[in-house]
Amino acid sequence: RKEVEQDPGPFNVPEGATVAFNCTYSNSASQSFFWYRQDCRKEPKLLMSVYSSGNEDGRFTAQLNRASQYISLLIRDSKLSDSATYLCVVNPEVYNFNKFYFGSGTKLNVKP
Amino acid sequence: SQTIHQWPATLVQPVGSPLSLECTVEGTSNPNLYWYRQAAGRGLQLLFYSVGIGQISSEVPQNLSASRPQDRQFILSSKKLLLSDSGFYLCASWSSGNTEAFFGQGTRLTVV
Repeated sequence: RKEVEQDPGPFNVPEGATVAFNCTYSNSASQSFFWYRQDCRKEPKLLMSVYSSGNEDGRFTAQLNRASQYISLLIRDSKLSDSATYLCVVNPEVYNFNKFYFGSGTKLNVKP
Repeated sequence: SQTIHQWPATLVQPVGSPLSLECTVEGTSNPNLYWYRQAAGRGLQLLFYSVGIGQISSEVPQNLSASRPQDRQFILSSKKLLLSDSGFYLCASWSSGNTEAFFGQGTRLTVV
């Protein structure tokens, strides 16, 4: 079983739409979770960390559901510039950060 | 913040040729270093990680090897490339006190 699994998409949405992605993880002891954004042929960049209480940054909201072992990313009022691949990242280690496991990514296309 | 230098940016190599990709880190000391590979349309696969000089952990059996001769230098190598080694190779660094991993700009390797 993969450490991290995501729906590859693509999610095709119009500008202004709200879209949500989920990501499931296999290790129930995982402590750290992140969403990264990757533009085509570029390196991934941190979008936001995911805290137990959930966190919001402008149009982006990330949430963690430990009971069901998934994290989510909600994007409100989608912009054309939001088109990218969104990678879910999990650190399964409890006391150190030796490994970061990436999901395969969810592709988002925001259309005019 | 950290800066990750990776080179070359693009590489075309024949099957059976050797490979050496280099990654150096600035702006931190004693980082954890990682090599990831991303096949076309796929997610990032963790290949190797290192917690210190000379310490290498391999995640998957493969045709590649890694070395860390200096604290902020991480090298990915192969003696004989296979077609299946083609992909986008990313070096990443994480340091204590940071919440995110930083990535280099990647090397796009095509084995022909």
